[in-house]
Formats: sequence, C-alpha cells, structure tokens
Amino acid sequence: GAVVSQHPSRVICKSGTSVKIECRSLDFQATTMFWYRQFPKQSLMLMATSNEGSKATYEQGVEKDKFLINHASLTLSTLTVTSAHPEDSSFYICSARDNVLGGLYGYTFGSGTRLTVV
Amino acid sequence: DQQVKQNSPSLSVQEGRISILNCDYTNSMFDYFLWYKKYPAEGPTFLISISSIKDKNEDGRFTVFLNKSAKHLSLHIVPSQPGDSAVYFCAASDTGGFKTIFGAGTRLFVKA
Repeated sequence: GAVVSQHPSRVICKSGTSVKIECRSLDFQATTMFWYRQFPKQSLMLMATSNEGSKATYEQGVEKDKFLINHASLTLSTLTVTSAHPEDSSFYICSARDNVLGGLYGYTFGSGTRLTVV
Repeated sequence: DQQVKQNSPSLSVQEGRISILNCDYTNSMFDYFLWYKKYPAEGPTFLISISSIKDKNEDGRFTVFLNKSAKHLSLHIVPSQPGDSAVYFCAASDTGGFKTIFGAGTRLFVKA
C-alpha cells in the first residue's frame, strides 16, 4: 500500500532556531501534499497545500514566512518552522495525494512530527 | 465556521456491541466523505469513504451511511473490538479531493 514517510518523528529545539520536517511518498508520486497541525484534543488544521514546482497555498492565518514549504520533487515536501517559539510546539502531520488514485480513496498520512520548542 | 462537525468528543461502548459515530456537514458542495482512524502520536489512517451519489458503503465491520438531505453521515462499527479504541475523524472533500475539511474527532473507547 501507499506509504508516506515523515521525519523526524520527534524534535526538541531551542527558541529562535529553525526546524525542518520532511515528508516523502515512498511508492507513489504526489504532485500535491498537505501540511496539518494538530493541537491537543483538537482536530487536524490544514496549514498549507504544497504543490510540486510551485508556491504553496497557505490557509488563512498561517504565516508563510514562518512556515516555509518546499516541494521540489514529486516525492518530497519539506516544512521549515523558522525562528521557532514555544507556541509553535505542536504535532505536525503531512499527507500526500496519489497522482494516479487522486483523493478519492483517501490521502496517505505521514506518522507525524512532535515539535517541542524550549 | 465549522463546515464538518463531530458533536460527540467521546464515546464508550462495550466490546461486541455496535459503535455509532456521527458527523454533520454544512456545505452541500462536498462530494466525498471519508473516515480516518488515529492513534496517539501517529498520523491518521484512512478507514472508509463514501461518494455523495451513494447512501451506504460497507467494508467488513465498518459501514458508513450518508443522508444527503440531512447533511449527516455516520460510521457504524459492529462488532466493536478493544483495538478499535482510537480517535475517529470525519472528513469531507471536494471533487477530486483537492481540499479536505476534517471534523474535530470522536474518541472511541471499547471496553473489554
């Protein structure tokens, strides 16, 4: 089945530093990937749609200069949290839309990244 | 504006009984509805889906019902098993799946 690898699974960083999270589709190509953020006991909030070879589309209220997204290939999207602050601590999850199957059979999600900013 | 609502934050069911998780949506343009299962510290896993042209889809112990006029869908799990204990997210998608909106999730506890 389709697999999305997300790395790292857990990261602790100091306030003011930047953290990069990778999302790879292992056995399918994904022109479109999605980045979500989940707060404790809350739903998945879509942050941005990552499009291969073009700029990401950010949801309202998400700072594009703070959350840099790069989708340089059909199998890799990265999310960089720049100048991280404690309020950026959260669970970040990516998902990928199979170019062949589309979204009709559900997206494949990565296993998530727990970011803690101290 | 919550376009997809799961009004029950949690549900507790005895093993072997039926679990019914409910979801309401407001946007009649949604074309496709999905249920995801999520364990703590993991990404969601696709469970089952239904197209807006159908009113029922079944896959093993899982059945999803869609009532378009009421803008309501439900996930039935029967018989429920302790391993089903997880958070279940309802999601609604536009045609082609380019935009998916998730509900807040319902935490299911299945007691042995």
